Amino acid sequence: NAGVTQTPKFQVLKTGQSMTLQCAQDMNHEYMSWYRQDPGMGLRLIHYSVGAGITDQGEVPNGYNVSRSTTEDFPLRLLSAAPSQTSVYFCASSSAMYEQYFGPGTRLTVT
Amino acid sequence: LAKTTQPISMDSYEGQEVNITCSHNNIATNDYITWYQQFPSQGPRFIIQGYKTKVTNEVASLFIPADRKSSTLSLPRVSLSDTAVYYCLVGGSDSSYKLIFGSGTRLLVRP
Repeated sequence: NAGVTQTPKFQVLKTGQSMTLQCAQDMNHEYMSWYRQDPGMGLRLIHYSVGAGITDQGEVPNGYNVSRSTTEDFPLRLLSAAPSQTSVYFCASSSAMYEQYFGPGTRLTVT
Repeated sequence: LAKTTQPISMDSYEGQEVNITCSHNNIATNDYITWYQQFPSQGPRFIIQGYKTKVTNEVASLFIPADRKSSTLSLPRVSLSDTAVYYCLVGGSDSSYKLIFGSGTRLLVRP
């Protein structure tokens, strides 16, 4: 049981490039979410999903897309990277009782 | 969405009991209160969750008054390894799966 896995661990992008951050969980959790955390700050919700085929926006969705085709996977797409998207990205999953399990994070730098 | 307010930082000494209070005046009837702990360079980790009165597990206690407009996380006999950021979240009911982190409380435990 690997829990929540995220790839890659580190990524450097140039402004304007696109990429997909991968997130997978093997706990059969319905709820998954993406957060970003800027240095010294709290976590901000980007997008979340309450089940396969269902996604919704969080606090800071602009510049990001998500899809949820399976229960296990919840990829986050950066459409056109900007320096303001330099951050640590965390994926989380939970069952209906709201205890979220977080992945190890992806550290993204946009130059 | 219920918004939470916590102290920005707290200091304590090893062996003391630490109480961190969170204010959530707009909590919905079906919302739960959940606390997370985050160490540097790691994703948050679930500590405890409750709905009303008192909940205790092996690491902490959670006190919730009858009006549920606030909650207090109690850490007994803290050690240096409890130095971390602690977040209070409110939500998780069917109508509020949008789980928003506040700014958290930075706890520093001194020898």
